[in-house]
Amino acid sequence: DAGVIQSPRHEVTEMGQEVTLRCKPISGHDYLFWYRQTMMRGLELLIYFNNNVPIDDSGMPEDRFSAKMPNASFSTLKIQPSEPRDSAVYFCASSSKLAGGRSYNEQFFGPGTRLTVL
Amino acid sequence: AQKITQTQPGMFVQEKEAVTLDCTYDTSDQSYGLFWYKQPSSGEMIFLIYQGSYDEQNATEGRYSLNFQKARKSANLVISASQLGDSAMYFCAMREGLNTGNQFYFGTGTSLTVIP
Repeated sequence: DAGVIQSPRHEVTEMGQEVTLRCKPISGHDYLFWYRQTMMRGLELLIYFNNNVPIDDSGMPEDRFSAKMPNASFSTLKIQPSEPRDSAVYFCASSSKLAGGRSYNEQFFGPGTRLTVL
Repeated sequence: AQKITQTQPGMFVQEKEAVTLDCTYDTSDQSYGLFWYKQPSSGEMIFLIYQGSYDEQNATEGRYSLNFQKARKSANLVISASQLGDSAMYFCAMREGLNTGNQFYFGTGTSLTVIP
């Protein structure tokens, strides 16, 4: 399996521009999570989906952020308009249904997108 | 209240020695899972070990073991025979029960440096 795929790996943009981050979860996983990581705030959960449906978006910082999951193999996180304080590493992670006698399954993380907003 | 607390921002350990990274958690669920992840300087998040709330034995994965003390709500990670490649950030995480959203919570991390 290719693992969780994120694109782009690096993004540099100017304040006010729209930014779209993309994620392809591991095939068969039914949970998808978007995180933001900064030195100041650590790892923050922004939103997560179950079976393509957003379950909890309480971590989304403000209306400038939006996330979609049109199908089981693709999700986007959009920032419009972007601001310098949005500079961070954005991780996508996916998790599967319970299997193998475990109570829970771990999340598998993508490599992250390093976003810099100038 | 914080769901996951890691009180050690930074730790140092001599190569080949064992080290314990602390983690306490807060939940009212009876069913939950505890995880440790490693994040090296390259940035990726690597799953290390898992402990279910109903597991009676402490989890072990190679040089990693999880010291699970349910009554104290602690899930400390023990790394035995530290190696230079163990230098990284380590995150403790919890997944609560299915009835409470089934989401993950992460701690603020502990930076481990292995000294040769």
